[in-house]
Parts: sequence; C-alpha cells; structure tokens
Amino acid sequence: DIQMTQSPSTLSASVGDRVSITCRASQSISIWLAWYQQQPGKAPKLLIYKASSLESGVPSRFSGSGSGTEFTLTISSLQPDDFATYYCQQYKDYSWTFGQGTKVEIK
Amino acid sequence: QITLKESGPTLVKPTQTLTLTCTFSGFSLRSSGVGVGWIRQPPGKALEWLTLIYWDDDKRYSPSLKSRLTITKDTSKNQVVLTMTNMDPVDTATYYCAHSHPSTMAIFDYWGQGTLVTVSS
Repeated sequence: DIQMTQSPSTLSASVGDRVSITCRASQSISIWLAWYQQQPGKAPKLLIYKASSLESGVPSRFSGSGSGTEFTLTISSLQPDDFATYYCQQYKDYSWTFGQGTKVEIK
Repeated sequence: QITLKESGPTLVKPTQTLTLTCTFSGFSLRSSGVGVGWIRQPPGKALEWLTLIYWDDDKRYSPSLKSRLTITKDTSKNQVVLTMTNMDPVDTATYYCAHSHPSTMAIFDYWGQGTLVTVSS
C-alpha cells in the first residue's frame, strides 16, 4: 500500500492567517491526490482533486499544489468555517489510502 | 440533487457478519462512469477506504480487508450493499457510503451522513 503522511498533525492559527498542510506519499502518485475537509460529526467534503483542481463550489481561498510525492493544501485567508480536520487521499492505484489528518484549530 | 443514506445495525457481536445498505437518489448506477464506495472512520481516527462498485459491476476492494468484504448493487432499488464478515471490536467505526467523482471515479464528491457501528458482545 502507498502510505500517506500529513504534517503537521495539529495546526493552531487565527482567522485571516495563511496556512499550509503537507501530504507526503511513500512513492510517486503523480497528481492523483485529493483533499477533504471534515467538520466534527460530519461527513468529509471534497475540496481539491488531481492535486490542484478546485471542486465546484469550493471557495477560491483553498488551493492545492504538488506532484510526485509531496503535496500542499493552502488556505490563503483562514475563515471561521475552516477550522476543521483535513485529509489527503491518494488514488494512483486501486488501493486508495488517506492521510492521518491535520486538525486546524483556533489559536 | 445527489443524496446517499446508510442503514443497518448499530450494534453487532464479534464474529458476526455486518450488512449495511446505501440508498441513494439523484443518480443512477446504470449510467456510465458512476460508482459508489464505502469508507469507514473509527472514533477519533482517520478515514479508511473499503470498497467501491462501478456501473459496469467492476468491484474494487481494500487489499487488507478484501477477504472479508463483499459489495453488490441493486440498480432497480438504487441501493448498494456492503457485507463484512467476522466482525471484531476494532471494526467499530462510522461507515460512510459515497458517490465517486465523475472525472476520476476514484474519489468521493457526495457522502452519506454515516452510520456508527459498534462491535461488542
């Protein structure tokens, strides 16, 4: 299986901050990476796919970058609704795996 | 509008078989490119992909759980059924069904609300 490692595990930030989350794959996955946001007690929400494509309806303050083994999710200006847990998911082959999650909390 | 909803038991005993049903609307599993998958999340832990079935009855399973999982579809009822055998307390989790994104068929753009399954004697 391809292992996905996110960093940091927890991130403390304030409204208006620019924040970045990193996801590293144990082997190259080209651009086959997605990002999800999960609010407590809710299902995940797709934000980004193919490493940098913004899902329809997702605010433009979210962006994704990277290829190969290293990827980044950036929130350009953190909003109150953005305090949540974020997961990356690789889909290079038919053994899709998620990262362990990054919790973005209020500083 | 695409919606999905999971249903099934909230409590199962160790060694029992779990059967969950995903009932959906707003799309058809007869349409080319459509898929429905299952993902689970133990309390306080990360997401884990389990299985996915496509419109053409192609099925994909997590290698680590493949021997215990079966996924089927009933297109006339707009349902997908997950069966997991030999349940263990470590299988306690919220189980989600989800619609696969049409551009990739490998990620999930619409999710059900999830159903918490507890494995305990």
